[in-house]
Amino acid sequence: AQSVTQLGSHVSVSEGALVLLRCNYSSSVPPYLFWYVQYPNQGLQLLLKYTSAATLVKGINGFEAEFKKSETSFHLTKPSAHMSDAAEYFCAVTSPQGAQKLVFGQGTRLTINP
Amino acid sequence: EPEVTQTPSHQVTQMGQEVILRCVPISNHLYFYWYRQILGQKVEFLVSFYNNEISEKSEIFDDQFSVERPDGSNFTLKIRSTKLEDSAMYFCASSEQAGGTDTQYFGPGTRLTVL
Repeated sequence: AQSVTQLGSHVSVSEGALVLLRCNYSSSVPPYLFWYVQYPNQGLQLLLKYTSAATLVKGINGFEAEFKKSETSFHLTKPSAHMSDAAEYFCAVTSPQGAQKLVFGQGTRLTINP
Repeated sequence: EPEVTQTPSHQVTQMGQEVILRCVPISNHLYFYWYRQILGQKVEFLVSFYNNEISEKSEIFDDQFSVERPDGSNFTLKIRSTKLEDSAMYFCASSEQAGGTDTQYFGPGTRLTVL
């Protein structure tokens, strides 16, 4: 079985500061990992995904994430937060072996302070 | 840019009533999914659908739930006899292909409130 834990249901940073959202996974098979973002009243939008190629993955809006197998982690970072980054962020895992379902973490709400 | 749409955005119903949640996936996508999120909890997988058949379902997806692709564009989730605990945000998603690498595109969700 696969699972995802996101440490911190709420994260608050100042505009221009580093954003770090934590995600740890559990998987008995090599995982594929995703970060989705949800803006108010919108659906989940893919930020980036790891599918066993480069361990450092770059996504949209200046976000990136690094797959660390030894730490079973896939933390999301952005060097400089912008007000428009305020949203809910979800980490998810799936398996490359045909399983189609995404297993999500509980989400982290990111607040940006001016 | 193509997007997944869902209607209605908010549905209020009485316990025991049937509801149908509607989704229009992206037009060239072949795989369809329903997820739900109970307030304050994780987004949970319900069911995946391909070639007019359920390809995978979770333990949540019991006999009161059903899915259908009634025509070439819509994908529906029916809850036969709603319970209070069915109150949640329901997300539809679609992908061009199956497998972990293909991106699932999500709709904005339908908030279901069961009274």
